[in-house]
Amino acid sequence: QQQVKQSPQSLIVQKGGISIINCAYENTAFDYFPWYQQFPGKGPALLIAIRPDVSEKKEGRFTISFNKSAKQFSLHIMDSQPGDSATYFCAASKDYGQNFVFGPGTRLSVLP
Amino acid sequence: DSGVTQTPKHLITATGQRVTLRCSPRSGDLSVYWYQQSLDQGLQFLIQYYNGEERAKGNILERFSAQQFPDLHSELNLSSLELGDSALYFCASSVEPSWAEAFFGQGTRLTVV
Repeated sequence: QQQVKQSPQSLIVQKGGISIINCAYENTAFDYFPWYQQFPGKGPALLIAIRPDVSEKKEGRFTISFNKSAKQFSLHIMDSQPGDSATYFCAASKDYGQNFVFGPGTRLSVLP
Repeated sequence: DSGVTQTPKHLITATGQRVTLRCSPRSGDLSVYWYQQSLDQGLQFLIQYYNGEERAKGNILERFSAQQFPDLHSELNLSSLELGDSALYFCASSVEPSWAEAFFGQGTRLTVV
């Protein structure tokens, strides 16, 4: 119940395309769902996050869609750029800061 | 640059040895988190300290220990090292004890040979 599943494992997208990464969870007590971006040799950096009281959150080219009934959430990167090439992790926690888990990550490559 | 400083950046050591990883949090941050990132286990939370006190424990092995000092820097001690301990070890810090607002350092790459 503590697991967060993430797919796909890797993703190749053309420049200007839409990148979509999906995550699913089991624990209905989770109440905070962030996405992290990690470049090689760097630590993960918080990209965008959502609470379950909203179904969508947009920040620039990045959008989180959240489906509470399906226990799924996804990251959409619009107009994908080569600079977006990185590994993306979803995560989930309950109690806003306690008891959290990370997904296994998705390696995104955006071709020029 | 996140403002979180980790040293050393790279560490190569033999099995059975003990190493200490150091983390200096961002100025003003009271909470420190340690994570392990490996190819097979992904990113795993190890332990959290807040203002010198242990706050939360994750998948930390008994051979591993950590502490946060009065100046708020933290050290992660890994002993009786095994090949499987080879990984990237990240430290993160935040003002409040909420990992959701944490900033990550660049990590220490540990290689056990």
